[in-house]
Amino acid sequence: AQSVAQPEDQVNVAEGNPLTVKCTYSVSGNPYLFWYVQYPNRGLQFLLKYITGDNLVKGSYGFEAEFNKSQTSFHLKKPSALVSDSALYFCAVRDINSGNTPLVFGKGTRLSVIA
Amino acid sequence: NAGVTQTPKFRILKIGQSMTLQCAQDMNHNYMYWYRQDPGMGLKLIYYSVGAGITDKGEVPNGYNVSRSTTEDFPLRLELAAPSQTSVYFCASSPRGVDEQYFGPGTRLTVT
Repeated sequence: AQSVAQPEDQVNVAEGNPLTVKCTYSVSGNPYLFWYVQYPNRGLQFLLKYITGDNLVKGSYGFEAEFNKSQTSFHLKKPSALVSDSALYFCAVRDINSGNTPLVFGKGTRLSVIA
Repeated sequence: NAGVTQTPKFRILKIGQSMTLQCAQDMNHNYMYWYRQDPGMGLKLIYYSVGAGITDKGEVPNGYNVSRSTTEDFPLRLELAAPSQTSVYFCASSPRGVDEQYFGPGTRLTVT
């Protein structure tokens, strides 16, 4: 079975400060990991993914995420938050060896960047 | 490319009515998905398809049906609408199961 957890429902950060949105996962094999962002009244947009290779993945809008196999984590980070980063963020996971099984999404973390 | 399109954007149904939510993609993606999003509950997979003529149940399929007669279209059918089906519905597609998914703008459905 595969699962993903986003332990924080809400993250508040001041504009210009670094931000972290946490994600941990559970798969029986090796993971494919994704981050998506959802702005109000919109569908989800892909930010970045980890398939293999370098543990630090860079994505859209200055976001990056670090894959940590020993801690089974894939936290999303940005060095300097913008008010426009305020949105709902979803982590998703899929086991590499799970055939056609679709992604499993976390419940989402609402990020609020305060000016 | 229009990407993934969904119609309608909004709909109000009475209990017991039926309707079809339309989804189309013009990216020639093999995989298509239907999700529902309830407040604070994240996304739940209703049905998915790995290609034309192939569909499979997700986490919450009860009360819904799908078909995939073409690569482009993946309609979701609600039979006998219930208040529990009040939600925002998203359609998505991807080239393969391991690829990122592209989402449509969503359909906000209210059943009263």
